[in-house]
Amino acid sequence: AQKVTQAQTEISVVEKEDVTLDCVYETRDTTYYLFWYKQPPSGELVFLIRRNSFDEQNEISGRYSWNFQKSTSSFNFTITASQVVDSAVYFCALILYNQGGKLIFGQGTELSVKP
Amino acid sequence: GAGVSQSPSNKVTEKGKDVELRCDPISGHTALYWYRQSLGQGLEFLIYFQGNSAPDKSGLPSDRFSAERTGGSVSTLTIQRTQQEDSAVYLCASSGGGRGTEAFFGQGTRLTVV
Repeated sequence: AQKVTQAQTEISVVEKEDVTLDCVYETRDTTYYLFWYKQPPSGELVFLIRRNSFDEQNEISGRYSWNFQKSTSSFNFTITASQVVDSAVYFCALILYNQGGKLIFGQGTELSVKP
Repeated sequence: GAGVSQSPSNKVTEKGKDVELRCDPISGHTALYWYRQSLGQGLEFLIYFQGNSAPDKSGLPSDRFSAERTGGSVSTLTIQRTQQEDSAVYLCASSGGGRGTEAFFGQGTRLTVV
């Protein structure tokens, strides 16, 4: 069965700290896509990144970076020098190749960045 | 519009009444999705439309739930005989339709059944 696990329900950090959000996925498919979305208090899910299963290159976008490791079925997300505006719920999600665009979401990690 | 638009933003209804939730996707997006977000269940897939293909209804929780997409654009999610457990935020998303393409979400409709 397909599943996404975000073991950290809540994380609280102080501004400027680095923080890593963990994501572990389960699938027997060889072709799939992984995503991270941010849900700020306004409620709208904001797309952050997409990776396909054949591209294990890590990616950096400003203060955000993602570490994809197929060997451990993990797709972790790191925020460097966190800011108060990073406070949100972050969701990791999976799409299987033969399932159209259906997102399988993890339970989310609520990140609180305190000044 | 520039993004996915959902209406109403909030809906309070009495148990047993029918409700309709509307989604206006990003222009040109061929795929449209409905998800439900509730405290106990997280984010659940409900239904998926792709172009003119038959919709994937595998996530609809009961036959009280239905959805249609007219003219390949606007979609309506209908819940008949609402129950208190239907209270949730209903999120609509659209995408370009290619495999694994990222979806863009609306702000959701918060449904409260009293």
